Amino acid sequence: GENVEQHPSTLSVQEGDSAVIKCTYSDSASNYFPWYKQELGKGPQLIIDIRSNVGEKKDQRIAVTLNKTAKHFSLHITETQPEDSAVYFCAASERNNNDMRFGAGTRLTVKP
Amino acid sequence: ETGVTQSPTHLIKTRGQQVTLRCSSQSGHNTVSWYQQALGQGPQFIFQYYREEENGRGNFPPRFSGLQFPNYSSELNVNALELDDSALYLCASTELAGGTGELFFGEGSRLTVL
Repeated sequence: GENVEQHPSTLSVQEGDSAVIKCTYSDSASNYFPWYKQELGKGPQLIIDIRSNVGEKKDQRIAVTLNKTAKHFSLHITETQPEDSAVYFCAASERNNNDMRFGAGTRLTVKP
Repeated sequence: ETGVTQSPTHLIKTRGQQVTLRCSSQSGHNTVSWYQQALGQGPQFIFQYYREEENGRGNFPPRFSGLQFPNYSSELNVNALELDDSALYLCASTELAGGTGELFFGEGSRLTVL
C-alpha cells in the first residue's frame, strides 16, 4: 500500500519568510496529492491540491510542486503570516480516494 | 450548504465498552470516509462507505465497523474498546464519481478510553 513520508516535523520561520514542506510517496498509482491545514481543535481543511498531470499549481501565497518520477511533492508558502501557524499534512491517493494516506504532519510556527 | 457534522464532540469510555460515533455528510455528497487521528499523528484511513456499502478498508480490526444510511449519513462503531483506541475520529465526505475528489472533514469526535 501507499506510504507517505513528510519532512520536517516542525518548522519555525519569521513572519514574511518562506516555508517549504516536503513529502515523498511510494505507490506510483497515486495520482491525487492534497495538502491540508489543521488548526487546534478542528478537522483538516484542504488548502491546495495537485493531480498527476500537472507539475505545479499556485494559489496566491501557496504553491505545490509535483515530481512524479522522483515520487515527491512539496508545499511552498511565501510571505508567511502568524495565522499560517498550524499543522500541515500532505496526502496521496488514487482518484476514488478510498484509501487516502496522510503524512505525519508538520507543525509550522510563524513568529511575528 | 451544510458542512460535515459529527457527534458527539467528546466522550469518555472505559476499556471493553462499545462506542458509536455519528456523521452527517455535506449536502450533495454521497460518500463518507472515517479516519483515526492519534495525538501528534496524521489521520489513518479506517474505511469508506459509498451507496450504503463499504468501499475500501484500511488496516483496522473487525471490531471497527460502520454503516451508511440512505441519506448518506454514517456511523462508526467500535466494540471491545482498548486504551489505544483513544484518538480523534474524523469523518470526511466527498462526491464520488463526478466530484473533484476533495475530502471535506468534520471537526471530529475525541474519544478517550480509560
